[in-house]
Amino acid sequence: AQSVTQLDSHVSVSEGTPVLLRCNYSSSYSPSLFWYVQHPNKGLQLLLKYTSAATLVKGINGFEAEFKKSETSFHLTKPSAHMSDAAEYFCVVSDLGRDDKIIFGKGTRLHILP
Amino acid sequence: EAEVAQSPRYKITEKSQAVAFWCDPISGHATLYWYRQILGQGPELLVQFQDESVVDDSQLPKDRFSAERLKGVDSTLKIQPAELGDSAMYLCASSHPTVLSYTFGSGTRLTVV
Repeated sequence: AQSVTQLDSHVSVSEGTPVLLRCNYSSSYSPSLFWYVQHPNKGLQLLLKYTSAATLVKGINGFEAEFKKSETSFHLTKPSAHMSDAAEYFCVVSDLGRDDKIIFGKGTRLHILP
Repeated sequence: EAEVAQSPRYKITEKSQAVAFWCDPISGHATLYWYRQILGQGPELLVQFQDESVVDDSQLPKDRFSAERLKGVDSTLKIQPAELGDSAMYLCASSHPTVLSYTFGSGTRLTVV
């Protein structure tokens, strides 16, 4: 069975400082992992995905995430936060190609302080 | 870029009325998902289709919700009768396992009054 835990429900950072959103997963197989962003009253936008290729994944808008199998983690980072990054972020684990189950974390609300 | 189409974008309905949402997945995507996202929470799976067959509907409140994908392409999610607690965003997604990704539609925002 798969599961995903986002360790922080809210994160606040100042504009221009680094962002770290934490995600741990559990999977019986080699999972596919994703980060999605959702701005208020908007749909889900894919930031990046890991599908067993390079462990450091670069996404859109300067975000990246590193797959660490030994730590079962897939934390999302960005070197310098921008006001437009304020949104809800979801970590997602999937066994695409096996049972195609998609499991969402509960989300992390990122606040950017001026 | 191919998109998952959903309609309507917004829907306001009165309690006890029937409401339906439509989803057209990306062409060739055999797997289709319906999710419900209550304000402030993460999406929760309601039903998963593989072609026209239901793979998982364990979280679908079957006394009032129904979903179909008759020809294995587009899909309809229905609620009858709607309750106040059904107010949420209803998201559709589709996936293609060989591409190892899935795409969400923009969703239908339902408000039950």
